[in-house]
Amino acid sequence: AAGVIQSPRHLIKEKRETATLKCYPIPRHDTVYWYQQGPGQDPQFLISFYEKMQSDKGSIPDRFSAQQFSDYHSELNMSSLELGDSALYFCASLGYANTGELFFGEGSRLTVL
Amino acid sequence: KQEVTQIPAALSVPEGENLVLNCSFTDSAIYNLQWFRQDPGKGLTSLLLIQSSQREQTSGRLNASLDKSSGRSTLYIAASQPGDSATYLCAVRWTGGFKTIFGAGTRLFVKA
Repeated sequence: AAGVIQSPRHLIKEKRETATLKCYPIPRHDTVYWYQQGPGQDPQFLISFYEKMQSDKGSIPDRFSAQQFSDYHSELNMSSLELGDSALYFCASLGYANTGELFFGEGSRLTVL
Repeated sequence: KQEVTQIPAALSVPEGENLVLNCSFTDSAIYNLQWFRQDPGKGLTSLLLIQSSQREQTSGRLNASLDKSSGRSTLYIAASQPGDSATYLCAVRWTGGFKTIFGAGTRLFVKA
């Protein structure tokens, strides 16, 4: 079965650079979540989208922005990168008409040097 | 404030032992609760999902229970195996929103 696809899987950037992460949800899933997981920490909710509209917002820095496109894929844009942004970024998708079970991608590991 | 707490933070057991992991949450108006497994540096694998109207869910050697009134869920692992070694996280979604909050996880080590 198709899963949540995230790209790139690994990304290395310098401080103050910009990075973009992409997430392709499971087909027919219309809701996307973004999480940030620092080393040894639990995943922190950043933001979610339902039907291309922001549905909820967590601890997403102002330097970050995200959107969901007409094909339901989502992109997380991170600017003015800081060392503390180094983390695993997970995307999860949800079929709103289904049970509410979240399915996660393998994550994108961002390293800021 | 909606929060999720997991205890213990770490657990080491001999192979074959039955064990219980605990998850507690504030605000009993939950939509659902999901248990995940995470291996080091890897993604999150869904284990069990419990809807707010359910009391428990079972999958193989795993059983998850939910007591909304006390704000608690437990994950029971029967006959533990070394391959069960991982971090187990519970995540709670409350009604009225999409935000799903994770606990800090329990790091399990099963000794052969």
